[in-house]
Amino acid sequence: ETGVTQTPRHLVMGMTNKKSLKCEQHLGHNAMYWYKQSAKKPLELMFVYNFKEQTENNSVPSRFSPECPNSSHLFLHLHTLQPEDSALYLCASSQERVRNEQFFGPGTRLTVL
Amino acid sequence: AQKITQTQPGMFVQEKEAVTLDCTYDTSDQSYGLFWYKQPSSGEMIFLIYQGSYDEQNATEGRYSLNFQKARKSANLVISASQLGDSAMYFCAMRDPNSNSGYALNFGKGTSLLVTP
Repeated sequence: ETGVTQTPRHLVMGMTNKKSLKCEQHLGHNAMYWYKQSAKKPLELMFVYNFKEQTENNSVPSRFSPECPNSSHLFLHLHTLQPEDSALYLCASSQERVRNEQFFGPGTRLTVL
Repeated sequence: AQKITQTQPGMFVQEKEAVTLDCTYDTSDQSYGLFWYKQPSSGEMIFLIYQGSYDEQNATEGRYSLNFQKARKSANLVISASQLGDSAMYFCAMRDPNSNSGYALNFGKGTSLLVTP
């Protein structure tokens, strides 16, 4: 595996379900990110982890719970979601430096029924 | 607060022609970084090019170049010799040094580019 991978690629869940999104980066980066991309809205940053420590929570509702066990893995645990949470969830990673370009995974297309 | 503006919701270009995608930004920071990403229909965001505010020359990466006009606060992406595979959404982004992490990217709304034969 190379780059940033995300599983599953597609997910359909009911509002009472609990599910988790997984992200893994194979680039040796120290920072990882979760973004939400809804239709007709700019990409929204949700969480940032740097060396496994959460350094940014962009006022995300508690029904989204991130977990970063190490610098290569990032999870997003989902529970009691709402239909408006349906979106493309993108994971990214970067190496701490001035330029800090982020490399993205293919995303998980989430549909909440 | 930062703001990224992409005023072109959609653009058309004929294959082999050049196209310019507009991006203007608003920031009070003296040091900043600008990025362009491409998002095909598959969903993955692909990093294209980076321009630092103190870089003296416009950035270039293959067929991509950045027309950076600091005084006008614009960072337009120029794609030369367009190919059918260039059809995608294109996003301009800026690193927000004032974010808690210092690494957050603020994205514009994007421009949809369609390359026609």
